[in-house]
Amino acid sequence: GAGVSQTPSNKVTEKGKYVELRCDPISGHTALYWYRQSLGQGPEFLIYFQGTGAADDSGLPNDRFFAVRPEGSVSTLKIQRTERGDSAVYLCASSPDGNIQYFGAGTRLSVL
Amino acid sequence: AQKVTQAQTEISVVEKEDVTLDCVYETRDTTYYLFWYKQPPSGELVFLIRRNSFDEQNEISGRYSWNFQKSTSSFNFTITASQVVDSAVYFCALGSSNYQLIWGAGTKLIIKP
Repeated sequence: GAGVSQTPSNKVTEKGKYVELRCDPISGHTALYWYRQSLGQGPEFLIYFQGTGAADDSGLPNDRFFAVRPEGSVSTLKIQRTERGDSAVYLCASSPDGNIQYFGAGTRLSVL
Repeated sequence: AQKVTQAQTEISVVEKEDVTLDCVYETRDTTYYLFWYKQPPSGELVFLIRRNSFDEQNEISGRYSWNFQKSTSSFNFTITASQVVDSAVYFCALGSSNYQLIWGAGTKLIIKP
């Protein structure tokens, strides 16, 4: 079956703009995670959904970041008033049971 | 606090050599999980293995093997007879009773033909 799909694969935006990053998890996976990965580092946890609700959003760096998963499948990570420091690869993962996380290829966000 | 340390930033070997990637973890949890993921240049993290804290048996999968030692809090990964296609960044990660994964900084493995 299809893996985790993230769109767009690359996003270039200007400082101060609003962006949305989309994640389509593996069908049937109830758990969904967002991570951020900076160059030369491991992924950094942002938020975890179990079904439609955000079970833990403690990793979101500030209130400019928000994520939704309204129907328990597709999720959107939203970043307001982007800053140059937001530039990174944003990774999405899904899991059927919270044990093994399966990752998408990520969205590379560049804030100019 | 939970922490994963991958002290080797980059390793370069010639094809067919064996190579071991080190991973040392810190946790106060008695139940936890250890993972290895591979990240090729395409960027997608590929799951390799998951071990729970109660299972210290070493595991072998083809050319890959993993050595889990609770006494030294290590979960090392060995590739036997390395191949150019093994070139990637390899991450070790720690998960516990919650679902968050704590990641090491990764080891970049370069296999030269």
